[in-house]
Amino acid sequence: EVLLVESGGGLVQPGGSLRLSCAASGFMFNNFWMAWVRQAPGQGLEWVATIHPAGSVEEYVDSVKGRFTISRDNAKNFLFLQMDSLRAEDTAVFYCVRDPAKGAYDVWGQGTLVTVSS
Amino acid sequence: FVMTQSPLSLPVTLGQPASISCRSSQSLVHSDGNTYLTWFQQRPGQSPRRLFYRVSNRDSGVPDRFSSSGSGSDFTLRISRVEAEDVGVYYCLQGTHWQKTFGQGTKLEIK
Repeated sequence: EVLLVESGGGLVQPGGSLRLSCAASGFMFNNFWMAWVRQAPGQGLEWVATIHPAGSVEEYVDSVKGRFTISRDNAKNFLFLQMDSLRAEDTAVFYCVRDPAKGAYDVWGQGTLVTVSS
Repeated sequence: FVMTQSPLSLPVTLGQPASISCRSSQSLVHSDGNTYLTWFQQRPGQSPRRLFYRVSNRDSGVPDRFSSSGSGSDFTLRISRVEAEDVGVYYCLQGTHWQKTFGQGTKLEIK
């Protein structure tokens, strides 16, 4: 079974940091682009970042550039999102997704909630 | 880059058809000739689920009462006869241009 399981969410103060992890199983992880998508409470979906199968290309939405870093460990089948200088507006459920081709996200994790608040 | 869905709220009677429009501010035809427009369904309390990719390719398990069409910058998701399990929010996503962009979402509810 193809699975993505996120972890690492929680409550963090403004200006703080958090690292999200996503464990992938049931498919050849190193063959796929991967991405993070977030959803603020009661709001729509927002693409956050994407990474090449080999980790050689990273793309970010403008609002997180310079603050978030996407990375992966193909040996252990993990995707990560390092989030620094967090702001209240970063509060959201973060989903790990598999990207077989330019946004055609075919597998989604269950999501992990990040709350930025003092 | 903007993706505009309409309507944002869609009350539908069971058994009746429903239609959701998704328009992009630029053409979604990629230089490789493909159009990277994807539709997702998010049922209450669940993660999103892909319905269609590259405009009209239906995912396995998606009932054939769902259809998707369009070209260039104008796309439509249709449900021929709405059932109770179709309640949720529907999103389009463009992947042609490097900054992936979702539509605002259309909330389908039963009248």
